[in-house]
Amino acid sequence: AQKITQTQPGMFVQEKEAVTLDCTYDTSDQSYGLFWYKQPSSGEMIFLIYQGSYDEQNATEGRYSLNFQKARKSANLVISASQLGDSAMYFCAMREGSNTGNQFYFGTGTSLTVIP
Amino acid sequence: SQTIHQWPATLVQPVGSPLSLECTVEGTSNPNLYWYRQAAGRGLQLLFYSVGIGQISSEVPQNLSASRPQDRQFILSSKKLLLSDSGFYLCAWSVLRNSEQYFGPGTRLTVT
Repeated sequence: AQKITQTQPGMFVQEKEAVTLDCTYDTSDQSYGLFWYKQPSSGEMIFLIYQGSYDEQNATEGRYSLNFQKARKSANLVISASQLGDSAMYFCAMREGSNTGNQFYFGTGTSLTVIP
Repeated sequence: SQTIHQWPATLVQPVGSPLSLECTVEGTSNPNLYWYRQAAGRGLQLLFYSVGIGQISSEVPQNLSASRPQDRQFILSSKKLLLSDSGFYLCAWSVLRNSEQYFGPGTRLTVT
């Protein structure tokens, strides 16, 4: 089974509107971390936001917030007030809490296009 | 502040030729270091990670190898490139094993 699933290959949003990018994960660990990265056309991966499995409150970083629903194993990224510069690929990732290995699992990404 | 460098930025190499990609981190000590490959239009695949000098773990068996000769230097190598080695190679570092990773600008490799 896929560790991270991003079911939206492409999304469009009007400038200044909010958009939600979906991410579901699969793990049997109790301790894990969830991450979102942005990859503009230049190729660099930019860390956006982190949610720990024991964090009770949803993580927020400026216009980014993570809608963490533990029972559903989902960690959706919400971008408020979209800007043209938000157009990019967005990757959801998970780090399991196991003491063996060092694996970060990445989803296949969602391409977001902000329309002026 | 911490920065991570990768070079070269782009590389075109013939099949069967050797490869050496370099990654260096500044502004931190004893980072965890990672090499990823991203095929066109796909997610990231972890190739190697290192928790210290000379300590390399491989996640995917292939014709690539990695070395960490210094604390903040991570090198990805191959003796003979294959066409399937083409892709975007990203180096990353993290403070802890389970903390967020910070990525370098990447190297776009085309094997012809």
